[in-house]
Amino acid sequence: DAKTTQPNSMESNEEEPVHLPCNHSTISGTDYIHWYRQLPSQGPEYVIHGLTSNVNNRMASLAIAEDRKSSTLILHRATLRDAAVYYCLPNTDKLIFGTGTRLQVFP
Amino acid sequence: NAGVMQNPRHLVRRRGQEARLRCSPMKGHSHVYWYRQLPEEGLKFMVYLQKENIIDESGMPKERFSAEFPKEGPSILRIQQVVRGDSAAYFCASSPTRQGIQPQHFGDGTRLSIL
Repeated sequence: DAKTTQPNSMESNEEEPVHLPCNHSTISGTDYIHWYRQLPSQGPEYVIHGLTSNVNNRMASLAIAEDRKSSTLILHRATLRDAAVYYCLPNTDKLIFGTGTRLQVFP
Repeated sequence: NAGVMQNPRHLVRRRGQEARLRCSPMKGHSHVYWYRQLPEEGLKFMVYLQKENIIDESGMPKERFSAEFPKEGPSILRIQQVVRGDSAAYFCASSPTRQGIQPQHFGDGTRLSIL
């Protein structure tokens, strides 16, 4: 199973962009890269996923390095509701959650 | 368009009792996954089921724990003779196909407390 490395915590001010990095140097060629976030007392919420190309959706953008050994989740304008733990998960069938990045957003 | 439904939200049991956690996947989803989360930790995979079949149970303790996903009805995670260490949040997720192609959608969990 691929191992991931994410910073323990990051901070941002409201309305600013946030770039959340993830290293997954042992990812296999067929593993999708998934990002989820978890708010307190809730289940994880799907954010975005991709394989090779950069991806955009209404929540965020996902930039995937050409060698696929790292990716960056981009929140274009952080809001207070984006404060959560963000998990990067390069896996196929079962999701293997690490400790994630705790994002704090300040007004 | 209901999401993944888990019940009960909170469950209290005494040591030695049985705990039954239920999960109704999203409509049209035939793949179900169970995870356990201890306080201040990430989720740990337990078991992956597809209607009536256990596909991967590599994360589930060999004793006291079992899971099923019958043809009709919700998926059930059953813990027999509970111990204090079983106290955790248990999350269920579902997807329409094998993970990797489509994301998993999670319920809000069952918080199990053992007295």
